[in-house]
Amino acid sequence: GQNIDQPTEMTATEGAIVQINCTYQTSGFNGLFWYQQHAGEAPTFLSYNVLDGLEEKGRFSSFLSRSKGYSYLLLKELQMKDSASYLCASMDSNYQLIWGAGTKLIIKP
Amino acid sequence: SQTIHQWPATLVQPVGSPLSLECTVEGTSNPNLYWYRQAAGRGLQLLFYSVGIGQISSEVPQNLSASRPQDRQFILSSKKLLLSDSGFYLCAWSVLGSYNQPQHFGDGTRLSIL
Repeated sequence: GQNIDQPTEMTATEGAIVQINCTYQTSGFNGLFWYQQHAGEAPTFLSYNVLDGLEEKGRFSSFLSRSKGYSYLLLKELQMKDSASYLCASMDSNYQLIWGAGTKLIIKP
Repeated sequence: SQTIHQWPATLVQPVGSPLSLECTVEGTSNPNLYWYRQAAGRGLQLLFYSVGIGQISSEVPQNLSASRPQDRQFILSSKKLLLSDSGFYLCAWSVLGSYNQPQHFGDGTRLSIL
């Protein structure tokens, strides 16, 4: 079956660094997406990885290891506005996204 | 630039009543269109997707249906709502044929069934 695993909740301190992990098992693989979703709002796109390695976008970076079925989202210099849920989604062989349940990130001052 | 509009933002409906949620996209042609449902604390569940006018693929058997009467219009409907239909409904679009392009979401409709 198809499965995406990510932690339910994480807590971090303002100004610190946090890494949100995601493991995936999908029928085929056409890339890994990360989205941010603030409470009560729609998800917004953060990053896309299809090749192994690290992609950096400002304070956010995303890493992929295809052989391990593993990705992480790294958030640096955390700000209070980063408090949100972070959704990992793998694109399968039919080009459909399989979504994780999301990791709720709580930032404390 | 492309925008996606979804309405209404919130809806409270009695069990057994009909439903119609509408989504329109502006600034692009021939988009892929999607309807998702998100239950509290859960991931996104794909309900329907469409690659063109009148072309609808259903992912989950249920009492919901979708239609695409125009290129940039996607409608989610039900003849009789169930309690289990409560949730956060999201419409999304992506560029047709480009699998590495992200899906972009509307603001969502929070549906409560009483």
